[in-house]
Amino acid sequence: ETGVTQSPTHLIKTRGQQVTLRCSSQSGHNTVSWYQQALGQGPQFIFQYYREEENGRGNFPPRFSGLQFPNYSSELNVNALELDDSALYLCASSPLLNNEQFFGPGTRLTVL
Amino acid sequence: AQSVTQLGSHVSVSEGALVLLRCNYSSSVPPYLFWYVQYPNQGLQLLLKYTSAATLVKGINGFEAEFKKSETSFHLTKPSAHMSDAAEYFCAVSVVGSGNTGKLIFGQGTTLQVKP
Repeated sequence: ETGVTQSPTHLIKTRGQQVTLRCSSQSGHNTVSWYQQALGQGPQFIFQYYREEENGRGNFPPRFSGLQFPNYSSELNVNALELDDSALYLCASSPLLNNEQFFGPGTRLTVL
Repeated sequence: AQSVTQLGSHVSVSEGALVLLRCNYSSSVPPYLFWYVQYPNQGLQLLLKYTSAATLVKGINGFEAEFKKSETSFHLTKPSAHMSDAAEYFCAVSVVGSGNTGKLIFGQGTTLQVKP
């Protein structure tokens, strides 16, 4: 059974650019959540997708957006990148809402 | 609103000594509680979870935690530390309820250092 995978592993962008991060959920999981983990901090909830619809959002501006595809994989898009967007972005999948979340290895985004 | 406070951003123990990592939560409804471990440059791995069954929860790698409602605590313990336990540990809370996303709210994390 393949776990949660994320791509790319690392990414360097400049301010104002746009970025797309990708996540493949674990087999059989229909719920994907995204978290931002700044250096030295705990992860913070960005949003969750359930059956291709956004199902809850944290305190992040609209320039953070996402998608979930029919195969339950997901994308996180960030527009107009700011220096403070530099962080580890974690994707987590679960088989149902309110269930244990399984995390991927993350994508390290650096904004210069 | 739910929140998690981890007391002590850095804990240092000797190999073989007791590990105690503290976590207090705030929740107006019955919570689910979790402990995750994060090794350098990796994602989060679930150590254990409390979901309103037994208050003493046993997890992987010899860790356990006790849910104490009166103290709103969920401290993580391990009787004997190994060098391989050195990592970042996160306590998290999730709210039970229909229609809830089950989003996790994390504490700030505690870095565990194990000295030989």
